[in-house]
Amino acid sequence: QVQLVESGGGVVQPGRSLRLSCAASGFTFSSYAMHWVRQAPGKGLEWVALISYDGRNTYYGDSVKGRFTVSRDDSKNVLFLQMNSLRAEDSAVYYCARDFFRYSGSGTYPDYWGQGTLVTVSS
Amino acid sequence: IQLTQSPSFLSASVGDRVTITCRASQAISSYLAWFQQKPGKAPNLLIYAVSTLQNGAPSRFRGSGSGTEFTLTISSLQPEDFATYYCLQLKSSPFTFGPGTKVDI
Repeated sequence: QVQLVESGGGVVQPGRSLRLSCAASGFTFSSYAMHWVRQAPGKGLEWVALISYDGRNTYYGDSVKGRFTVSRDDSKNVLFLQMNSLRAEDSAVYYCARDFFRYSGSGTYPDYWGQGTLVTVSS
Repeated sequence: IQLTQSPSFLSASVGDRVTITCRASQAISSYLAWFQQKPGKAPNLLIYAVSTLQNGAPSRFRGSGSGTEFTLTISSLQPEDFATYYCLQLKSSPFTFGPGTKVDI
């Protein structure tokens, strides 16, 4: 069955960096685009980033563009989110999610989700 | 593309018919999905492409709409349906979620 397990969250000071990972199993990872979505405590969902199935295309939300980088290692079935210049408003649970359709270059519907990893940005 | 949802909060009873509206700031064709989220859990895809029911989602959930206005209807609310519902547009990047509608008892 499809499994997505996020890791790498924790407490980090403003201005510092953090890298999140998402370990995928139960499907052909290299065939699917992948999303990152976050949710601040008590708030709604915010779409963060997408990487195409082949890694050629990446897309970002306006609030993270230029600071966050999404990447993937298909040899290890792992998705990454490199977060730089972190701000207090980046504090959230970060979810990775698989795209619905295979071989999507620009992303469609996130269907399978991990349970999330909590990032807290605080001094 | 901005999404708004109405109402933001809805109080209902088991057996009620419930309708949630999602409006987009511009036409998004059929690139709209609905998610259900329960406290402490990841979101769950209910409907994609406006009206297609995801595998395993109960048939009491129905999506409709076009252009800039979309609705999620629950025909007969069940105890397990009390949750927060979000719409998501994927017409163009950055993709955006609506602010959510909490359905409470």
